[in-house]
Amino acid sequence: GQNIDQPTEMTATEGAIVQINCTYQTSGFNGLFWYQQHAGEAPTFLSYNVLDGLEEKGRFSSFLSRSKGYSYLLLKELQMKDSASYLCAVRDSNYQLIWGAGTKLIIKP
Amino acid sequence: GAVVSQHPSWVICKSGTSVKIECRSLDFQATTMFWYRQFPKQSLMLMATSNEGSKATYEQGVEKDKFLINHASLTLSTLTVTSAHPEDSSFYICSARGSSETEAFFGQGTRLTVV
Repeated sequence: GQNIDQPTEMTATEGAIVQINCTYQTSGFNGLFWYQQHAGEAPTFLSYNVLDGLEEKGRFSSFLSRSKGYSYLLLKELQMKDSASYLCAVRDSNYQLIWGAGTKLIIKP
Repeated sequence: GAVVSQHPSWVICKSGTSVKIECRSLDFQATTMFWYRQFPKQSLMLMATSNEGSKATYEQGVEKDKFLINHASLTLSTLTVTSAHPEDSSFYICSARGSSETEAFFGQGTRLTVV
């Protein structure tokens, strides 16, 4: 079956760095997405990886290793507004998005 | 990024009535639209995928006669929850993707409460 695993919850301190991991097992691979979702709101797009390596976008970076079925989202200089759920999603061979359950990130002052 | 508008943002309805949710792509042509349902503290669950001009493809366990999806144009898709029950109360989110797009863009979501 298809499976996306990410930690349920993480806590970090304002100004620090946090890494949210995602491992996947899917039928084929056509890209991995990270989304941010604040409570009661729809997800917003953060990053897309289809090739191995690191993609950097401001304070957020996303890494992919296709051979390991592994990705991480790195958040630097954490701000209180970064408190949200972070969803990992993989697009499979049918171009369907398979969603992880999300990681709730709690930022403490 | 592209803009997807979903309406209404929230709705309260009585059991047995029907509710229509609209999803519009404002600045691109959405060849494919996705409808998701999300229960509290859970991830998104895909309900159905629709391509413009053709019938929606429903995920296993989703009743097509209860959740009517119409994707009649390249900028509009609607989800109608028919004969709503309290267990249908959820957060419904649409997303839309153009033919040349890598990612799908999300609407704001609709909080449905059935009383």
